[in-house]
Amino acid sequence: SQTIHQWPATLVQPVGSPLSLECTVEGTSNPNLYWYRQAAGRGLQLLFYSVGIGQISSEVPQNLSASRPQDRQFILSSKKLLLSDSGFYLCAWTPRRLAGNTIYFGEGSWLTVV
Amino acid sequence: AQKITQTQPGMFVQEKEAVTLDCTYDTSDPSYGLFWYKQPSSGEMIFLIYQGSYDQQNATEGRYSLNFQKARKSANLVISASQLGDSAMYFCAMREAAGTGTASKLTFGTGTRLQVTL
Repeated sequence: SQTIHQWPATLVQPVGSPLSLECTVEGTSNPNLYWYRQAAGRGLQLLFYSVGIGQISSEVPQNLSASRPQDRQFILSSKKLLLSDSGFYLCAWTPRRLAGNTIYFGEGSWLTVV
Repeated sequence: AQKITQTQPGMFVQEKEAVTLDCTYDTSDPSYGLFWYKQPSSGEMIFLIYQGSYDQQNATEGRYSLNFQKARKSANLVISASQLGDSAMYFCAMREAAGTGTASKLTFGTGTRLQVTL
């Protein structure tokens, strides 16, 4: 069966420090991968998606970047965090050919920038 | 323009009663999918129900049903016999078809916080 994991689950980082959130998918190949952010009391905003290794599409301009070094690995990074980067980050994956309700979310990562 | 609109920031319902959470959407794509997710305080996104744009019948999953009115572009979630454990944020989302070389994406509404009371 397919699983998705992301870590760390919680982190508190000072302003100006770097960030790395990692997401891995098991049990499937060639997934589409996504990073979403949820600010406090808000809906989910799509940050990045990837249809293959090294292929990253950015949905909104921001202080973050994403990379996909391997087929089932998706990394969200920042060189220097801002206070506004605080939020809940969710990784998700779908089969390459999305059909029906097949989108799966990770457990989420709570980021607090202080 | 908002693609997914949830106009109820918060709702209250008594235990064992039914509640309807509103969702309207905007798309020109004839092929799309509509989702409802539950998000408890832990943050995980729990899939509840899915409706495809070509589905003839309203989707149902246990106590959840989706009132799909295509002409009005609405996809309201109905929860019957509410339970205390239903207290959570509820998000409506829409998937539109992917373009060439891109991925199909989910667009979320701002959510409705449901509180079930005794």
